[in-house]
Amino acid sequence: QKEVEQDPGPLSVPEGAIVSLNCTYSNSAFQYFMWYRQYSRKGPELLMYTYSSGNKEDGRFTAQVDKSSKYISLFIRDSQPSDSATYLCAMSGNQFYFGTGTSLTVIP
Amino acid sequence: NAGVTQTPKFRVLKTGQSMTLLCAQDMNHEYMYWYRQDPGMGLRLIHYSVGEGTTAKGEVPDGYNVSRLKKQNFLLGLESAAPSQTSVYFCASTPGSSADEQFFGPGTRLTVL
Repeated sequence: QKEVEQDPGPLSVPEGAIVSLNCTYSNSAFQYFMWYRQYSRKGPELLMYTYSSGNKEDGRFTAQVDKSSKYISLFIRDSQPSDSATYLCAMSGNQFYFGTGTSLTVIP
Repeated sequence: NAGVTQTPKFRVLKTGQSMTLLCAQDMNHEYMYWYRQDPGMGLRLIHYSVGEGTTAKGEVPDGYNVSRLKKQNFLLGLESAAPSQTSVYFCASTPGSSADEQFFGPGTRLTVL
């Protein structure tokens, strides 16, 4: 079983839609949870970082962590064409693990 | 600050050739990482370093060697390239632990024929 599971998509939505991206994990030792965004032919860059259960909001982005279910989500409100990218979840305890990434396309 | 830089950006090798990928960071970070990224496989850790002069194996270390002679540089070597090593290679660094944000370089696209 992989440490981190992420649906690869691809996901295609119209501009303005609400997007929900999800990851599950198996290791209860994970303490830190992150979402990275990766544009085509670029390196990943940090989008959201949280270390506790609950919600964290930053503009149009909300990160949600449910440690009891070992489930994390990223919500994007009012999605824009510029949000088209691959989104990778990541988590760490003693080591760092990435999900495989979900490819998102926002259609104008 | 340039952040994390990688050299070269692209490279084509023939099977059996060797090469070294260079990663440099100017943020005075302690930890540095080498990943490969393949379609459907996500980012897989090859080797990492928790400080100058130290290296450790990650998830997929076979066929690769690394060195961290200077704090700001992390080198990834392929002694005898194989087609299975065709991939995009990313270097990353963090200030001091696995809890910190990873800062990534732009990647090196390697093709082994």
